[in-house]
Amino acid sequence: QVQLVQSGADVKKPGASVKVSCKTFGYTFTDYYLHWLRQAPGQGLERVGRIYPKTGASDCPQKFRGRVTMTTNTSSGTAYMELTSLTPDDTAVYYCARDGTKWVNYFDPWGQGTLVTVSS
Amino acid sequence: DIQMTQSPSSLSAPVGGRVTITCRASQDIGHSLAWYQQKPGKAPRLLMYGASILQSGVPSRLSGSGSGTDFTLTINSLQPEDVASYYCQNYRSADSIAFGQGTRLEIK
Repeated sequence: QVQLVQSGADVKKPGASVKVSCKTFGYTFTDYYLHWLRQAPGQGLERVGRIYPKTGASDCPQKFRGRVTMTTNTSSGTAYMELTSLTPDDTAVYYCARDGTKWVNYFDPWGQGTLVTVSS
Repeated sequence: DIQMTQSPSSLSAPVGGRVTITCRASQDIGHSLAWYQQKPGKAPRLLMYGASILQSGVPSRLSGSGSGTDFTLTINSLQPEDVASYYCQNYRSADSIAFGQGTRLEIK
């Protein structure tokens, strides 16, 4: 059974950084893209970026470039997303999700989500 | 950028009823459209991909159709467990990934 388990909620001050982890189970970690998405309170879903664990190659939308770093530990099957220079607008639930099918960017399954709160 | 527009933003229907949610893409995306269900406090769940292919475990009273720019999600024989928000997502390419703004479904 494919499963993604994320780290717990975190509270950060403006200007700080946050690192969220996503441990995977039940499939070959290096064979699928791992995506990061977020959802601000009461809002819709937004893509943060993706990483291909086999090569470490990653990409993200322009709005996150320079602020987001995605990494993986292939020995433990864990992905990480670090977001720097946090502002209150970064307050959101952050999700990791796997490609539903290899090389096709719909998402299944999803992690349970990690609430990141940015507040002074 | 490809924009995804969902309508309505909310709707309600009685148990046993039928609802239809529409999703429009600002450019032709072929069949690269997925639908998700999200219940309060939970992660989204994939319902279908390829505009109309049901994910394993999704009841057959849900169906999807469309191609190009116009898509629909239909739920027949509405059940209490269908109360949720529904999102469409374009996955034509990684650069163009975008979600609709969501539709909140309630039981009347």
